Amino acid sequence: DQQVKQNSPSLSVQEGRISILNCDYTNSMFDYFLWYKKYPAEGPTFLISISSIKDKNEDGRFTVFLNKSAKHLSLHIVPSQPGDSAVYFCAASDGFQKLVFGTGTRLLVSP
Amino acid sequence: DAGVIQSPRHEVTEMGQEVTLRCKPISGHNSLFWYRQTMMRGLELLIYFNNNVPIDDSGMPEDRFSAKMPNASFSTLKIQPSEPRDSAVYFCASSLSRVDEKLFFGSGTQLSVL
Repeated sequence: DQQVKQNSPSLSVQEGRISILNCDYTNSMFDYFLWYKKYPAEGPTFLISISSIKDKNEDGRFTVFLNKSAKHLSLHIVPSQPGDSAVYFCAASDGFQKLVFGTGTRLLVSP
Repeated sequence: DAGVIQSPRHEVTEMGQEVTLRCKPISGHNSLFWYRQTMMRGLELLIYFNNNVPIDDSGMPEDRFSAKMPNASFSTLKIQPSEPRDSAVYFCASSLSRVDEKLFFGSGTQLSVL
C-alpha cells in the first residue's frame, strides 16, 4: 500500500520554464513533508520541507505548496535549469521520524 | 565531515550467498536508517536505529535480512541467503536526532544477485 504517491514517473521541461512536480498522500497523520533530489550514482539530498501548519514554503527557485484537504503537495521550480535534472522524491512523516517516500519523478530540463 | 559512508559501492553475488553491506553515519548523528530503492516501490524503509537501538524493523522483508549497530559509528545490513529479488540499491542515512526528519544519505550500494 503506497501511502505517498508520485504518479508521474517523468517530466520534461525547457530551461527557463516552470517545473511542477506533484505528490499525493493517503495518511492523514502525516504532518511534515520533504522533497529530496537524487542525481545518478549519488544518495538523495534534502531540498525543501514544509510543516502541516503552513501551506507554502519558499527557498530561492524552489517552492513547495501543501493542500491538506486534498492531501496533495507540489514542488515548483522557477526558472528551471539543466542542473535541476534529477529524480525528485517526495517524503512524509507522522512525527515519529519514519519517513515514507514516494517512487520518485525523473525531471529532465533541456537547454 | 565526509558524510555518510557506505561500502561496497557495488556488490555482485550469486543466489544463496551471504551479503553484508556496511555504513558509517555522520559523527554525532544519533539516528541511522537503512532504505532500499526499487523502481516499483521507490525508497522503502527497512529498519532504523536510535542511539544504536533498533526502533522499527517492520520494513525488513523477511528473516533473511538482519541489521546491527554495534556502536555509534558503524552499522551492517546482512542478507543470508541472498535471492535475485533482493537486487536493488541499498541506502544508509543518518540524522542528528530522533526528532529531526532531515536525513543525510550515503551514496548507496548497488546489489546484484545473479
